[in-house]
Amino acid sequence: KAGVTQTPRYLIKTRGQQVTLSCSPISGHRSVSWYQQTPGQGLQFLFEYFSETQRNKGNFPGRFSGRQFSNSRSEMNVSTLELGDSALYLCASSPTGLEGNTIYFGEGSWLTVV
Amino acid sequence: DAKTTQPNSMESNEEEPVHLPCNHSTISGTDYIHWYRQLPSQGPEYVIHGLTSNVNNRMASLAIAEDRKSSTLILHRATLRDAAVYYCILRDEEDTGRRALTFGSGTRLQVQP
Repeated sequence: KAGVTQTPRYLIKTRGQQVTLSCSPISGHRSVSWYQQTPGQGLQFLFEYFSETQRNKGNFPGRFSGRQFSNSRSEMNVSTLELGDSALYLCASSPTGLEGNTIYFGEGSWLTVV
Repeated sequence: DAKTTQPNSMESNEEEPVHLPCNHSTISGTDYIHWYRQLPSQGPEYVIHGLTSNVNNRMASLAIAEDRKSSTLILHRATLRDAAVYYCILRDEEDTGRRALTFGSGTRLQVQP
């Protein structure tokens, strides 16, 4: 069974640009969450989608947005990039969200903003 | 959210047991205790979780104090591949608004050959 797949793995963007990251959850998983990991702030929750609806949201500015498609694949977008957005962005999926006990993470997308 | 406290780092020797402690004195009755670990350059990986009783799986054991204010992750025989940052997380399974994982700073485990 394939794991959570994130693309791209590495990317470099310029301040002010926007970026879209993609996540394919484990087959059959309907809940997809996104996390940001930085050396200073650690791992922080961005948002969660379930059946194409945002069900939960962390404390991030509106520049961070996401969506989920009918096949459960998800994308997150960061607009007007700032240097502080440089981070590892992790996608995680779980089966139904009803039990929600085990969350499976992808290897992440490394974003560098210059 | 209830907070957890873990030592910043621990060292172990290969093939010896490792006991990773976690304090969670403000845990609520519906909080599950989860452990995840993050190997270098990888996303976090689920290890084990429990509510009240001790739990065992192929990766580790979880020992939960009777008052639930602390728990210990036990790796029975550490290997070099167990070197990682281990996160102890509380998660309220009954509150859909709090299903996100709140990561602390974790414990960095070093395993010596």
